Amino acid sequence: DSGVTQTPKHLITATGQRVTLRCSPRSGDLSVYWYQQSLDQGLQFLIQYYNGEERAKGNILERFSAQQFPDLHSELNLSSLELGDSALYFCASSAGYWDTDTQYFGPGTRLTVL
Amino acid sequence: GENVEQHPSTLSVQEGDSAVIKCTYSDSASNYFPWYKQELGKRPQLIIDIRSNVGEKKDQRIAVTLNKTAKHFSLHITETQPEDSAVYFCAAKNYGQNFVFGPGTRLSVLP
Repeated sequence: DSGVTQTPKHLITATGQRVTLRCSPRSGDLSVYWYQQSLDQGLQFLIQYYNGEERAKGNILERFSAQQFPDLHSELNLSSLELGDSALYFCASSAGYWDTDTQYFGPGTRLTVL
Repeated sequence: GENVEQHPSTLSVQEGDSAVIKCTYSDSASNYFPWYKQELGKRPQLIIDIRSNVGEKKDQRIAVTLNKTAKHFSLHITETQPEDSAVYFCAAKNYGQNFVFGPGTRLSVLP
C-alpha cells in the first residue's frame, strides 16, 4: 500500500457525461500528479499540483480540469466524456515541489465510457 | 522537452536467467531516474531509482546503472522468477520538470 488513495475504484458512465475522480496523497506529501493510462499504453502525464497551486500541465484536454484543495486532496474532473476517455486514471504524490522526490502511485480509477 | 525511449518492448526469459531493459533520455539536465513495475490492472510500483550523482545502485536481485555521458540507464534483474513477470516503466525527471515515462517493457519469465 503506497498510502495514496483514490476513489472510486471503478466508474461506468455514458458519453457526454461528467465525472469527478478523487485522490488523497500520502500524509505529508504536497505534490499531486494525475496520469492517464489507456489500454496497453504507457503513462501520460496530465497535470501536477503543489500545495494547492497548479505546477505543470501535460497533455490534458480542455474538457479535463483538476484542483487541489487546502487539505491537499485533489480532484480530476472529466466532462463531455467520449469513448476514447476510457482508461485507468492514476494519481501519484510526492513530498516536494520539483526535487528528485520519489513518486508513489494510488491504485487508480478505471473509467469506462459507454 | 524530455523524451524517453525504452527497449525492448517485450522480453521473454527463462526462469533463473537475467533480464536487462534499457532506457535512453534526451535532456542532459535530467537527474532522477526511477523504475516502476506494473502488474496487470494494478498501480505502478517503484522498484528502484537512481540519482545523477550515482553510477550504479543495487537492491537484492535488482540493479540500475546510469551512464550520464551516453544518456542511458538500464535495469538489471538477476535470477528471474515468474513473479517478476510484469510491465516495467522507466522514467526521467529534471529539476523543475515533470516525470517523463518510457513506453514500457513487457517482461515474461517462463517457468
